[in-house]
Amino acid sequence: ELKVEQNPLFLSMQEGKNYTIYCNYSTTSDRLYWYRQDPGKSLESLFVLLSNGAVKQEGRLMASLDTKARLSTLHITAAVHDLSATYFCALQDSNYQLIWGAGTKLIIKP
Amino acid sequence: GAGVSQTPSNKVTEKGKYVELRCDPISGHTALYWYRQSLGQGPEFLIYFQGTGAADDSGLPNDRFFAVRPEGSVSTLKIQRTERGDSAVYLCASSLTGAVAYNEQFFGPGTRLTVL
Repeated sequence: ELKVEQNPLFLSMQEGKNYTIYCNYSTTSDRLYWYRQDPGKSLESLFVLLSNGAVKQEGRLMASLDTKARLSTLHITAAVHDLSATYFCALQDSNYQLIWGAGTKLIIKP
Repeated sequence: GAGVSQTPSNKVTEKGKYVELRCDPISGHTALYWYRQSLGQGPEFLIYFQGTGAADDSGLPNDRFFAVRPEGSVSTLKIQRTERGDSAVYLCASSLTGAVAYNEQFFGPGTRLTVL
């Protein structure tokens, strides 16, 4: 059974700090997604990582994928309050189904 | 429309009642997905349509749940004899197509179902 585990599940941090969210998965795949969800809102796609060693950056967020270690990371640089949200990683299985992590609730304090 | 839309945004019903949740995907997207998200958890796959047919309904929890997509566009998720445990946010997503190497799913705002 394909499993996706995120950690931490909850993260409270100060503005200006750096931190990393980890996403481990249990079986081989080279299609991993990161989504953002604001309270009461739907899911917004952030990154799609397609191959080993892939790195993508958008603003203060950078995502990477290591398929050999079955690990993806989402790194936050110099966090700002607007990045407060819940972040999900999801692994694409069988070409269409997304298997999701439990999410990391990120609170960034001014 | 520009994105995936879902109606209603909120639905409150009583235990035992029947409900229908509607999803209108992005125009031109042939693949459509239903997920269920409980509080504090990630979404859980329910069913996937490619065109009009359900390509994978393995995530439907039991036979009270059924979904259709008769014309390959709008989809309706139907829940019979609702139970309190059905309370969740039901999310719909669409993608340009299904079985390709890169298949980004775009999500609607969800329908929050509350069964009293």
